[in-house]
Amino acid sequence: NAGVTQTPKFQVLKTGQSMTLQCAQDMNHEYMSWYRQDPGMGLRLIHYSVGAGITDQGEVPNGYNVSRSTTEDFPLRLLSAAPSQTSVYFCASSSIRDRGIDEQFFGPGTRLTVL
Amino acid sequence: DAKTTQPTSMDCAEGRAANLPCNHSTISGNEYVYWYRQIHSQGPQYIIHGLKNNETNEMASLIITEDRKSSTLILPHATLRDTAVYYCIVRGTSGTYKYIFGTGTRLKVLA
Repeated sequence: NAGVTQTPKFQVLKTGQSMTLQCAQDMNHEYMSWYRQDPGMGLRLIHYSVGAGITDQGEVPNGYNVSRSTTEDFPLRLLSAAPSQTSVYFCASSSIRDRGIDEQFFGPGTRLTVL
Repeated sequence: DAKTTQPTSMDCAEGRAANLPCNHSTISGNEYVYWYRQIHSQGPQYIIHGLKNNETNEMASLIITEDRKSSTLILPHATLRDTAVYYCIVRGTSGTYKYIFGTGTRLKVLA
């Protein structure tokens, strides 16, 4: 199993540009999520999904869109990049059991710089 | 979900036990305590979780107080590779899908 994969690893954008960060998992997990981590800070939840066609907002959703058309993929879209979105982005996935979300598996991250 | 409070940083001598505390005084009966760690700038890694009983696995032990208002993660024989940021998370059961990380404890294991 590849686990959770993220592409690209690094990206530099200019203000106003758009792009999509890709995330895929091969563990058939229902739950997928996106976090951002600013320097010296903890992770903040952007959006999450509990299954194909179902998404919801996390703590810091503004400026980001997501969709979940398949169980495997959960792309994150930046519609108009701003310098405040310079961060490291982590994707994670988990199964959902009776007790809720199980342990999350994280990808290696995408380091995004917006100039 | 309950809020957690952790010390900002801790040091531990290599080979000694590292005891990382977490306060979650507003935890409710159906909320689990999870611990993750993040080594350097990698993605966080799951360590252990528990509801009310103490738990142990190959990585660590989790001690939850009887009133469940606090817990301690124990790394029994810390090594330099355990230097990381450790996050304590409390989350509810089905219907609660927001998984909120705090700022964690930066553990430095000293040679």
